[in-house]
Amino acid sequence: NAGVTQTPKFQVLKTGQSMTLQCAQDMNHNSMYWYRQDPGMGLRLIYYSASEGTTDKGEVPNGYNVSRLNKREFSLRLESAAPSQTSVYFCASRRAGSSTEAFFGQGTRLTVV
Amino acid sequence: GQQVMQIPQYQHVQEGEDFTTYCNSSTTLSNIQWYKQRPGGHPVFLIQLVKSGEVKKQKRLTFQFGEAKKNSSLHITATQTTDVGTYFCAGPTGANNLFFGTGTRLTVIP
Repeated sequence: NAGVTQTPKFQVLKTGQSMTLQCAQDMNHNSMYWYRQDPGMGLRLIYYSASEGTTDKGEVPNGYNVSRLNKREFSLRLESAAPSQTSVYFCASRRAGSSTEAFFGQGTRLTVV
Repeated sequence: GQQVMQIPQYQHVQEGEDFTTYCNSSTTLSNIQWYKQRPGGHPVFLIQLVKSGEVKKQKRLTFQFGEAKKNSSLHITATQTTDVGTYFCAGPTGANNLFFGTGTRLTVIP
């Protein structure tokens, strides 16, 4: 059982380049999330999807777009990368409801130069 | 918007000493969750508290949810090197989102 799988694990981009971070879960979870983690800032919610076909903004959505392709997959796109988007990105999923635990992927370490 | 703050941001302890991290929310939470992230790893769920004033224990870890359901604490008794990592609290603001605290990074000195 793979859980939550993120690709790639590492990426270096030049300013202005675009890329998509992929996330897939095999636990049949309804809710999926994208977070970014920066030193001293904790985990900040970028976007989330409560179910297939729906997405909502989190705390820091500017500069990002998401797609909930199907129940399994939730991708995060950077259209024009900026150095401020250098961070570690985590995808997470959980069953529907406010009292269920979240399962995280291994993370993507992104550097924008 | 909701803010979930944790203190301290960093804590260094000698092995065997106790450790406590505190989590404070600007709004009342329906429940609070705690996660641990080992260095270089991803957050892993530890426990969830739901009731006002609830206290739960996991071996040397004691978790507490405040009476007003706006704060929580995690206490580790007699720390070990395996306790090293960053501890996060997290709370929902609705049925589907999940906001994390700023985290407390624990270093244990052997």
